[in-house]
Amino acid sequence: NAGVTQTPKFQVLKTGQSMTLQCAQDMNHNSMYWYRQDPGMGLRLIYYSASEGTTDKGEVPNGYNVSRLNKREFSLRLESAAPSQTSVYFCASSERAEAFFGQGTRLTVV
Amino acid sequence: AQTVTQSQPEMSVQEAETVTLSCTYDTSENNYYLFWYKQPPSRQMILVIRQEAYKQQNATENRFSVNFQKAAKSFSLKISDSQLGDTAMYFCALHTGTASKLTFGTGTRLQVTL
Repeated sequence: NAGVTQTPKFQVLKTGQSMTLQCAQDMNHNSMYWYRQDPGMGLRLIYYSASEGTTDKGEVPNGYNVSRLNKREFSLRLESAAPSQTSVYFCASSERAEAFFGQGTRLTVV
Repeated sequence: AQTVTQSQPEMSVQEAETVTLSCTYDTSENNYYLFWYKQPPSRQMILVIRQEAYKQQNATENRFSVNFQKAAKSFSLKISDSQLGDTAMYFCALHTGTASKLTFGTGTRLQVTL
């Protein structure tokens, strides 16, 4: 059972570079989420998708874009990375409210 | 807007003792769920317990139980007979049914000592 799969696990970017974090779930869940986790800040919601074809901003959407490619996949794009985007990123999916998480991506922007 | 507040950044408890972690929340929805998640050093997010807002009975899962006070918008987690393996970050979370939005608190770091 793969559950929620995030790629990559680690990434170092230079300021101004772009990249896409990939997330896929095999549980046929409708809802998917992207969070960032910073020390002392908990998990802050970046974007979420309640169902295929819809996306909504969370608490900290600036500097990010998302695509709900299909029911399985929900990607997060950084168009021009900044040092303030150094963080651990988590993707999650949920059905009947219970969320399942990927293993996280540690992103460092230098 | 929905918010989740955890006012205890760190707590410590001795093995076999009981500890309570606090959480308050705010939402205008009537249909929602509350959760406690555990995050050990491995970074994995593990569901500890869930509570449906429409249920008056407090949820329990083995050594873990909640005190759900709907009018006060309070949702605390009690860990009984604490074990070394309970050492982790604990996050309170709120899911609102209509928007399917899942919001987390800032977490409480729990240390279980000998």
